[in-house]
Amino acid sequence: EVQMLESGGGLVQPGGSLRLSCAASGFTFSSYAMSWVRQSPGKGLEWVSAISGSGGSTYYADSVKGRFAISRDNSKNTLYLQMNNLRAEDTAVYYCAKEAYSDAGPDSWGQGTLVTVSS
Amino acid sequence: AIQMTQSPSSLSASVGDRVTITCRASQGIRNDLGWYQQKPGKAPKLLIYAASHLQSGVPSSFSGSGSGTEFTLTISSLQPDDFATYYCLQDYNYPWTFGQGTKVEIK
Repeated sequence: EVQMLESGGGLVQPGGSLRLSCAASGFTFSSYAMSWVRQSPGKGLEWVSAISGSGGSTYYADSVKGRFAISRDNSKNTLYLQMNNLRAEDTAVYYCAKEAYSDAGPDSWGQGTLVTVSS
Repeated sequence: AIQMTQSPSSLSASVGDRVTITCRASQGIRNDLGWYQQKPGKAPKLLIYAASHLQSGVPSSFSGSGSGTEFTLTISSLQPDDFATYYCLQDYNYPWTFGQGTKVEIK
């Protein structure tokens, strides 16, 4: 069974940093691209970032480019999102998600972790 | 970035109704589109991939169609478990973009 468990969320002040982790199991982690998708309270879904299976290619939404960094450790089956210079508008539930097949959208999601940016 | 315009933003329907939700892309995206269902406090669930392919385990009452710029999600007979918010997602190129969502409520 495919499972993903996010961690690392919490309350952080504007301008602060946070690193999210996503521990994956039940599939060959290195064979799949992974994404982060967020959802602000009461709002819709927003794709944030993606990384190829090897980690050699990364992609970002304009809203986080230059502030967030996605990475993965295939030896640990873990996905990361380093978030720097956080803003109030980054407040959201952050989901990690596994691509369905090559270059396709996600077919499996974690339960999400809440990030709150507030003073 | 490709914009996805989803309509309607909400609808009220009764059990047994046929429901149609539409997504329009700002440029052609072949059939690189998925449909997701989300219930409050839960992660999204994939219903349809590649515009018209039913994800394993999803009831056959759900179907998708379209290519290029116009896409449709149809629920042939609405069931109580189907009341939720639905999103389209284009995975044609990065940055991926979601539609704004359609909330399906009980009439």
